[in-house]
Amino acid sequence: QSALTQPASVSGSPGQSVTISCTGTSNDVGSYDYVSWYQQHPGKAPKVIIYDVSRRPSGVSHRFSGSKSGYTASLAISGLQGEDEATYYCSSYTSRTTLVFGGGTRVTVL
Amino acid sequence: EVQLVESGGGLVQPGGSLRLSCTASGFGFNTYAMNWVRQAPGKGLEWVSSISDLGGSKYYPDSVKGRFTISRDNSKNTLYLQMKSLRVEDTAVYYCAKGSDSGDYGPKWLDPWGQGTLVTVSS
Repeated sequence: QSALTQPASVSGSPGQSVTISCTGTSNDVGSYDYVSWYQQHPGKAPKVIIYDVSRRPSGVSHRFSGSKSGYTASLAISGLQGEDEATYYCSSYTSRTTLVFGGGTRVTVL
Repeated sequence: EVQLVESGGGLVQPGGSLRLSCTASGFGFNTYAMNWVRQAPGKGLEWVSSISDLGGSKYYPDSVKGRFTISRDNSKNTLYLQMKSLRVEDTAVYYCAKGSDSGDYGPKWLDPWGQGTLVTVSS
């Protein structure tokens, strides 16, 4: 049950857009549309911002969007703001009926 | 408002046992799967266990299978995690999280999460 692969960090200036990739295998991301994304600020609990690849929970900014192609899912953040500075984790349902997370990506707003 | 409050964390010696609890409110507890996720200090998230709405299905990763047992008491709106044969590498903040559905086919996504309880395994 290897973790999904995410870049360790990405950065952007306020107002810019950034994209975080999340690469899995045929046993998880490649076979199921159950990819979710979580935002975690330091010292806080994670919060879901995208589920089922591209759906946004109510109350989550439209600046967050999700997509998937093959074995790779992506989270895009547009109009980067200071409050977006956090660590982002992807997650996927797997063929073993388990849940696997990515290693996390720290987003820095320059 | 959905609330999840974990308790039971603390310091335990390697090889010891500990039981975590998560008390839920603000939603139909007996209609949703529940989950435990942990985060070692300075590290990423690791899913630990899931249980379906009525407790009939339970899921674990290989890293805790046979050592951890998830259970629930729907009459008390409470989720549990019994941990035994604890190892230093089990040291983490343990989060309780509500599942997205009944959980009969495993965990899909988690929302919301509690604030976590710290488990430290050390001699």
